[in-house]
Amino acid sequence: QSALTQPASVSGSPGQSITISCSGTSSDVGGYNYVSWYQQHPGKAPKLMIYDVTNRPSGVSSRFSGSKSGNAASLTISGLQAEDEADYYCSSYTNNIPLGVVFGGGTKLTVL
Amino acid sequence: EVQLVESGGALVQPGGSLRLSCAASGFTFSTYAMSWVRQAPGKGLEWVSGISGTGGSTRYADSVKGRFTISRDNSNNTLYLQVKSLRAEDTAVYYCAKPAMVRGVIIYYYMDVWGKGTTVTVSS
Repeated sequence: QSALTQPASVSGSPGQSITISCSGTSSDVGGYNYVSWYQQHPGKAPKLMIYDVTNRPSGVSSRFSGSKSGNAASLTISGLQAEDEADYYCSSYTNNIPLGVVFGGGTKLTVL
Repeated sequence: EVQLVESGGALVQPGGSLRLSCAASGFTFSTYAMSWVRQAPGKGLEWVSGISGTGGSTRYADSVKGRFTISRDNSNNTLYLQVKSLRAEDTAVYYCAKPAMVRGVIIYYYMDVWGKGTTVTVSS
């Protein structure tokens, strides 16, 4: 049950755009359009930001967008704001674990 | 309002046991598969275990298989995680999580409601 691969950290200035990558395999990210992204602020529970690769739950800002190509998915945050500073985790359905999911190792976003 | 409230975390010695609980409210608990996800200090999220709505199907991460048992009481809207033979590497915040409903279908691999978590510390 290997985790998905994310960069440890990314940074950007207010107003800029950043992209966080998430690499998996054909058993998870590459095989299905069931990728999701979570935002987690320190000491808080994760929050679902993106599902089905590109869709946003109600209430999530349109500044957050997702995409996928092959075995890799990406989260893009445009118009960076101070409150976007958080940890971000990708997740995917996997055919290796019925009822389970696989998470990425997490990416710390710093807004400079 | 949909709410999940975990309890039962504690400081326990290596080899010890605990039962974690998650009280659910605001949704039809019995129709939702549920999950436990943990986060070790300063580390990422790790899916631990999942259970179907009826409780008839359960799954575990390899790291906890044979030591942890997930169960549920649908009459009391409560999810449980029995943890045994605890190791230092089990030290974490344990979250219960509810799956999202997408286009009218409950999708267990998207978790849209999380509890605040309960902390398990394994140390002598």
